[in-house]
Amino acid sequence: AQSVTQPDIHITVSEGASLELRCNYSYGATPYLFWYVQSPGQGLQLLLKYFSGDTLVQGIKGFEAEFKRSQSSFNLRKPSVHWSDAAEYFCAVGGNAGNNRKLIWGLGTSLAVNP
Amino acid sequence: EAGVAQSPRYKIIEKRQSVAFWCNPISGHATLYWYQQILGQGPKLLIQFQNNGVVDDSQLPKDRFSAERLKGVDSTLKIQPAKLEDSAVYLCASSLDLGQNNEQFFGPGTRLTVL
Repeated sequence: AQSVTQPDIHITVSEGASLELRCNYSYGATPYLFWYVQSPGQGLQLLLKYFSGDTLVQGIKGFEAEFKRSQSSFNLRKPSVHWSDAAEYFCAVGGNAGNNRKLIWGLGTSLAVNP
Repeated sequence: EAGVAQSPRYKIIEKRQSVAFWCNPISGHATLYWYQQILGQGPKLLIQFQNNGVVDDSQLPKDRFSAERLKGVDSTLKIQPAKLEDSAVYLCASSLDLGQNNEQFFGPGTRLTVL
């Protein structure tokens, strides 16, 4: 069955510290992978996506993610967290044909940033 | 460029009442999505339109939920009658076309509370 697992429900980091949010997926076809961020009271915003090519993907707001096929992972990283990064982060996987066009979402990781 | 517009932002109703949500996608976007996001969970796709046709409504509870996009632009989602478990944020998103290489842009959502 297709699924996305975000093992960490809640993470707290200090401002300036590095961040890694984990995402593991189970998907039968070649996956398209996404990270979205949701700030309080806001809609979801795309941080970055992976379709093919270079497995290290750069996104907005200084985020990057690395696709590791052997580990079925797509972890999100940021070298230095800012207080404004406090938000909910969602990993999603989908395909590009037929029934695979639907995005499968993880449950999200809530990030808190200490000053 | 204007984003995805949704109204109302908040709605409180009693169970068994009816409610309707409205969404205006980004101009020129052919694909429109309605998601339900229950607190602590990722978004769940309810229905997906391509222009004014339904692409996927497999997870729409059709006994109480309905949606339309008559002119292929804005859309309404209706719940009749509402149940307590319908309390959630209802997100509308749009993309240029089908396919995961088309980024989904999300509106701010409508927070529904059913008492």
